[in-house]
Amino acid sequence: DAKTTQPPSMDCAEGRAANLPCNHSTISGNEYVYWYRQIHSQGPQYIIHGLKNNETNEMASLIITEDRKSSTLILPHATLRDTAVYYCIVRVAHSAGNMLTFGGGTRLMVKP
Amino acid sequence: DAGITQSPRYKITETGRQVTLMCHQTWSHSYMFWYRQDLGHGLRLIYYSAAADITDKGEVPDGYVVSRSKTENFPLTLESATRSQTSVYFCASTPGQGTEAFFGQGTRLTVV
Repeated sequence: DAKTTQPPSMDCAEGRAANLPCNHSTISGNEYVYWYRQIHSQGPQYIIHGLKNNETNEMASLIITEDRKSSTLILPHATLRDTAVYYCIVRVAHSAGNMLTFGGGTRLMVKP
Repeated sequence: DAGITQSPRYKITETGRQVTLMCHQTWSHSYMFWYRQDLGHGLRLIYYSAAADITDKGEVPDGYVVSRSKTENFPLTLESATRSQTSVYFCASTPGQGTEAFFGQGTRLTVV
């Protein structure tokens, strides 16, 4: 699975959009981009995933560049409860074991 | 209750003792995983299982044993606990096919 690079930390004002970048320049054509988050002391929580097209759900939007070498997770109106570590993961949808490989993630601090 | 549950939530054990962490899921998901998370770090895969009676090593399997006699259960055993195994352990499951993974709430293990 491709390696990802994320900034170690970011701040965001409450009510503003949080834009979390992820670089995955070695991504292969059959690898998906997944985003998970981990709120302090809890198990990771799935947010969204995509292959080529931009995706949106009730939690967030995922913007993937045309060359697929980077992506951005957007939390449109961040709240204090969005303070968490956000993990960007790329993996083949049908990879053996279907496991997720976690990197260091981005620690997002939402401030009042 | 539906979902994935881990037990115990907290455990203190002595060096050299055997300890088993339990993981139970109610969805009949094919894939199950064990991760460990050391303080201030990301998650590392210990073992995974693609189905009952099928298990395989992850990134950090040394010192751990798993079994999967039933689809819904995936216990993790530390045969002779060491201080370096002090960590938070997360269990996860997924039906496979590139879908989202669901994580348990974690077991905080301290080896003294």
